[in-house]
Amino acid sequence: QKEVEQDPGPLSVPEGAIVSLNCTYSNSAFQYFMWYRQYSRKGPELLMYTYSSGNKEDGRFTAQVDKSSKYISLFIRDSQPSDSATYLCAMSGTGANSKLTFGKGITLSVRP
Amino acid sequence: EAEVAQSPRYKITEKSQAVAFWCDPISGHATLYWYRQILGQGPELLVQFQDESVVDDSQLPKDRFSAERLKGVDSTLKIQPAELGDSAMYLCASSLDAWTRRETQYFGPGTRLLVL
Repeated sequence: QKEVEQDPGPLSVPEGAIVSLNCTYSNSAFQYFMWYRQYSRKGPELLMYTYSSGNKEDGRFTAQVDKSSKYISLFIRDSQPSDSATYLCAMSGTGANSKLTFGKGITLSVRP
Repeated sequence: EAEVAQSPRYKITEKSQAVAFWCDPISGHATLYWYRQILGQGPELLVQFQDESVVDDSQLPKDRFSAERLKGVDSTLKIQPAELGDSAMYLCASSLDAWTRRETQYFGPGTRLLVL
């Protein structure tokens, strides 16, 4: 079993839809949780960053972390064609566990 | 806005040849990472530097891969000899300091390698 599992894709939604992306993990040492967006043939760019459990909102994006269930989510409201990309969850601990462990990524397509 | 620079952006080589990738992190970032991303997968860490020292190279295939960051600034990742299975995107990332406090990692655009 991989340390980080991400819902398989691809995912296609109409413009304006609410999108829910999810990851589960097994390593209790993870404390930092991130969502990266990666456009085709580009490097990942940080979208959301949260520490420990709770919610964080940034514009149309909301990140949720439930450490008790080892489950994280990214919600995208009013999705736009420009949101079409691959979304990667990533997480890490501290010190010797500071390396990022990524999910496989899910490719989202928002249809106009 | 400061960015992580990588070169070349694309590299095509034949198996058994040597290849090298270069990364210039964001100025002042002490921690530098090299990741490999196979198509359809998330990035996987190859090596992590804190200044000029390697702090994690457990996933680096040391029989053919080497990495250095001699002055604690820019870094080079080398593969010799390249194999067909090395075809992937090689990503460099940097963060302010991974040890004293948690800082976000910023990624460069990557080098896409194709081994024929």
